Amino acid sequence: RKEVEQDPGPFNVPEGATVAFNCTYSNSASQSFFWYRQDCRKEPKLLMSVYSSGNEDGRFTAQLNRASQYISLLIRDSKLSDSATYLCVVFSNTGGFKTIFGAGTRLFVKA
Amino acid sequence: SQTIHQWPATLVQPVGSPLSLECTVEGTSNPNLYWYRQAAGRGLQLLFYSVGIGQISSEVPQNLSASRPQDRQFILSSKKLLLSDSGFYLCAWSPISGGGYEQFFGPGTRLTVL
Repeated sequence: RKEVEQDPGPFNVPEGATVAFNCTYSNSASQSFFWYRQDCRKEPKLLMSVYSSGNEDGRFTAQLNRASQYISLLIRDSKLSDSATYLCVVFSNTGGFKTIFGAGTRLFVKA
Repeated sequence: SQTIHQWPATLVQPVGSPLSLECTVEGTSNPNLYWYRQAAGRGLQLLFYSVGIGQISSEVPQNLSASRPQDRQFILSSKKLLLSDSGFYLCAWSPISGGGYEQFFGPGTRLTVL
């Protein structure tokens, strides 16, 4: 089992759709969780951290379920500019720093 | 505000040649520093991380090495490149305090080994 697994994608959605990304992690001692977006041939950029209580930033909502070891990202009213690859990232510092990136889910938003 | 620089942006090197990629961070002190590689169409692979000058941890055994000669400088090197070293090399930094451990990436170096 991979340490961080994401939906393989790609997701093709029309503008205005709601799209959900899912991510599971294997290390129950993981401490910090993030979503990044990566545009084609560019560096990943932090989209949002994921907090235990869930958090929202405009059209984006992130949720964490520690019991199920599951993270999600919801994008509402998707825009053409949301087209990118979304990366789930899990961090732990038990036994040394360890940051694991998921393989990413590609999103295409079409007009 | 903090900024992170990488150079060169692109590089084409023959097999067996040496490599030196540089990363510098501005606007912060004593950051954690990271080197990642992303092969075409693949996820990010952590290569090295550093919590301080001269302190390097290697995640994956390979023909690459890293050094941190100054607080905000991180260098990735190889004595002899392999074809499999081709990829997108990303440097990242994270604050040492705060506990969030968010990482912020530089623009990357796209390396092609021929």
